[in-house]
Amino acid sequence: GAVVSQHPSWVICKSGTSVKIECRSLDFQATTMFWYRQFPKQSLMLMATSNEGSKATYEQGVEKDKFLINHASLTLSTLTVTSAHPEDSSFYICSARYGNTEAFFGQGTRLTVV
Amino acid sequence: AQSVAQPEDQVNVAEGNPLTVKCTYSVSGNPYLFWYVQYPNRGLQFLLKYITGDNLVKGSYGFEAEFNKSQTSFHLKKPSALVSDSALYFCAVRERYSGAGSYQLTFGKGTKLSVIP
Repeated sequence: GAVVSQHPSWVICKSGTSVKIECRSLDFQATTMFWYRQFPKQSLMLMATSNEGSKATYEQGVEKDKFLINHASLTLSTLTVTSAHPEDSSFYICSARYGNTEAFFGQGTRLTVV
Repeated sequence: AQSVAQPEDQVNVAEGNPLTVKCTYSVSGNPYLFWYVQYPNRGLQFLLKYITGDNLVKGSYGFEAEFNKSQTSFHLKKPSALVSDSALYFCAVRERYSGAGSYQLTFGKGTKLSVIP
């Protein structure tokens, strides 16, 4: 089956630094990748949709300069949280799809900003 | 706009008893409906989906869900609950035609299932 891998699984960073999260489709070429954010005991909130080779489409209220998304290849998308602050601490999940398939989800990344 | 409601924050059920996790949806067109399960600090695992055809959909780990168009519901069910089924369950929806083909899912807020030994 299609596998989506996120790295790292968890990261702790200091306030003011930037952190990059990778999302890879391991056995398929992902035409579209999605980035979600999940707060404790809450649902997944779509942050942005990215298509390979084009700029990401951000959801309303998501700061594109703070959450930089790069989808440089058909198997890799990255989310960079710039100048992270404690309120950015969250669980970030990516998903990827190709052709007419539904999305496959990564295992998530727990970001803690201290 | 599409939306999903999961009216129960938590469902408790005794091991061996049947379980139901409720979901209702709202879309302007025909829906694609999904159930996912999430274990602590993990991503989402796909359980099942309804696209078209038989209203009763069977999925992974013995789960099934029934699509009811008149009630706009897609409740998740299992005849006999296991302790290992304890997790967070999400219902999701997208319209059958997403225009730009973005395949964006809208998730419910999740229901925590606790199966008591």
